[in-house]
Amino acid sequence: DVQMTQSPSSLSASVGDRVTITCRASQNINNYLTWYSQKPGRAPKVLIYAASSLQSGVPSRFSGSGSGTDFTLTINSLQPEDFATYYCQHSYSTLPLTFGPGTTVDLK
Amino acid sequence: QVQLVESGGGVVQPGQSPRLSCAASGFRFREYGMHWVRQAPGKGLEWVAAIWYDGSKKYYGDSVKGRFTISRDNSQNTLYLQMDSLRDDDTAVYYCARDGGSGTKQTYFDNWGQGTLVTVSS
Repeated sequence: DVQMTQSPSSLSASVGDRVTITCRASQNINNYLTWYSQKPGRAPKVLIYAASSLQSGVPSRFSGSGSGTDFTLTINSLQPEDFATYYCQHSYSTLPLTFGPGTTVDLK
Repeated sequence: QVQLVESGGGVVQPGQSPRLSCAASGFRFREYGMHWVRQAPGKGLEWVAAIWYDGSKKYYGDSVKGRFTISRDNSQNTLYLQMDSLRDDDTAVYYCARDGGSGTKQTYFDNWGQGTLVTVSS
């Protein structure tokens, strides 16, 4: 199985900050990587797919980069609605499809 | 717009066999692969099962393999998850999700239902 790790597990930030979250895969997954955000009591929402493609309707302050085993989600100018938990997920051909453990972004 | 509505959750006893349903609307259901993803209380996301657009192929996570069965009825735009031999650690919110990468090599979940809570308790 492809194992996914994320760092940090949590971070505190202020509105307007630039936030970076890292995701690492246990093997080369090319660009088969998706990012989601989730607020308490709500379903996850896709932000980035194919490592760097912005999902339709997602604000441009979100961006993704990386390939192979190391990936990054960046939020430029954090907004109040961005306080949430962020998950990466590999979508490589090897099943199962696994998620990272999540990174919680809360208010400093 | 795309809408996915799960039902069938509730409190069930270990060993019972509930069936979850997911009613889809707002898109051509028969053209998309579909998935179930679950989330135990206070925990992260776990992929459970997937089914091809035409139902011809099905895949399962190791923790549910042999106990859960995914199926679909394209004439009714409905996805199902038959859950057999339930255990305490199956307690979770179960989401159905559309495969946004259908037709490509990417597999990701571009639309999710609101989830249905299954609590396994004696």
